[in-house]
Amino acid sequence: GENVEQHPSTLSVQEGDSAVIKCTYSDSASNYFPWYKQELGKRPQLIIDIRSNVGEKKDQRIAVTLNKTAKHFSLHITETQPEDSAVYFCAASISGGSNYKLTFGKGTLLTVNP
Amino acid sequence: ETGVTQTPRHLVMGMTNKKSLKCEQHLGHNAMYWYKQSAKKPLELMFVYSLEERVENNSVPSRFSPECPNSSHLFLHLHTLQPEDSALYLCASSQGEAGELFFGEGSRLTVL
Repeated sequence: GENVEQHPSTLSVQEGDSAVIKCTYSDSASNYFPWYKQELGKRPQLIIDIRSNVGEKKDQRIAVTLNKTAKHFSLHITETQPEDSAVYFCAASISGGSNYKLTFGKGTLLTVNP
Repeated sequence: ETGVTQTPRHLVMGMTNKKSLKCEQHLGHNAMYWYKQSAKKPLELMFVYSLEERVENNSVPSRFSPECPNSSHLFLHLHTLQPEDSALYLCASSQGEAGELFFGEGSRLTVL
């Protein structure tokens, strides 16, 4: 089955700096890659996703890049703010984004220091 | 109430107890999920219900028993659990198999 590795497990940055979280996946058939954000004590929420027919997607300060050849994808957060502090999970899915086949990474705890 | 609500938010039980977790979604979705979230481990999909039929069961021990009486409600019945079952149990819903997952805030379970 699919295996998703996520690095780093913890990341600390100064407010205003950029943060990058990287994930690799094992199944070349994976074609949907969402990112979820979970603030302390809160529910995970989808923040951005990308499908395998595009290489990059942006939404304001957040961007995701995908390298299908290398089987890795990354989350980029620019101009970080304290409210960006949370655990971020990457995931990969085959079958057109089926949630039944969604495999998550272990998460990255991002701390943005004021 | 809107979104996905879970009760109870916290539960402490002994290994011989029987308890249930409840999830309710107010989004009109047709698929519901149970996930297990343990420290330093990936989110683990336990069960999926689509149109009230179980479509996925990821080799979960029989001491966990799901029930989906209708498209808005999902239960997880717990009996004779082990301490290693202590975790945050998250319910989620989506519209269709590939729709965005909407999570509840979870039920924190501690097994003594």
